[in-house]
Amino acid sequence: AQSVAQPEDQVNVAEGNPLTVKCTYSVSGNPYLFWYVQYPNRGLQFLLKYITGDNLVKGSYGFEAEFNKSQTSFHLKKPSALVSDSALYFCAVSYSGAGSYQLTFGKGTKLSVIP
Amino acid sequence: DSGVTQTPKHLITATGQRVTLRCSPRSGDLSVYWYQQSLDQGLQFLIQYYNGEERAKGNILERFSAQQFPDLHSELNLSSLELGDSALYFCASSGGRPESKLFFGSGTQLSVL
Repeated sequence: AQSVAQPEDQVNVAEGNPLTVKCTYSVSGNPYLFWYVQYPNRGLQFLLKYITGDNLVKGSYGFEAEFNKSQTSFHLKKPSALVSDSALYFCAVSYSGAGSYQLTFGKGTKLSVIP
Repeated sequence: DSGVTQTPKHLITATGQRVTLRCSPRSGDLSVYWYQQSLDQGLQFLIQYYNGEERAKGNILERFSAQQFPDLHSELNLSSLELGDSALYFCASSGGRPESKLFFGSGTQLSVL
């Protein structure tokens, strides 16, 4: 079984400040980790993914995420938040085990960037 | 634009009825996924098809069924609808591997009255 936890329903940050959206995961094999963003009345859009290699992954719109195997975490970060970053962010996990193709999403974290 | 097309965008129906949601995947993608999004349950995986075959099944009710056709488009059939089935239903497509990123459609908003 695989699962994802996003412990914060909402994160508020001032424009220009760094932001972090937290994610922890549980899988029985090597994880593939993803972040997606959903703007109002839109489908989800891919931001970045970790497959293997460098623990720091860079993605779209200046976002990055750090894979930490010992803490089973994959937190999303951005050095300087923009008002336009306000959206719903989803962490997701699949894994390399045989027969596993299901991508499991967390419940989402609403990010509000305050001008 | 993700390249994934979902129709209709909005659907209003009554309890007990049956509806069909349609999805055309991105060109070249063999795999189609269906997700249900609601405020209380979040984003729930329903089912995945790969090149016409069912590959993975999630929290899909017995009243719901899906299929992927030879041209790779997919349909999600929801029957004996209940008020609690009101949700946003997303289709996504990918190359089908666990490490593949998904491309999502804009969703079908289903309202059961």
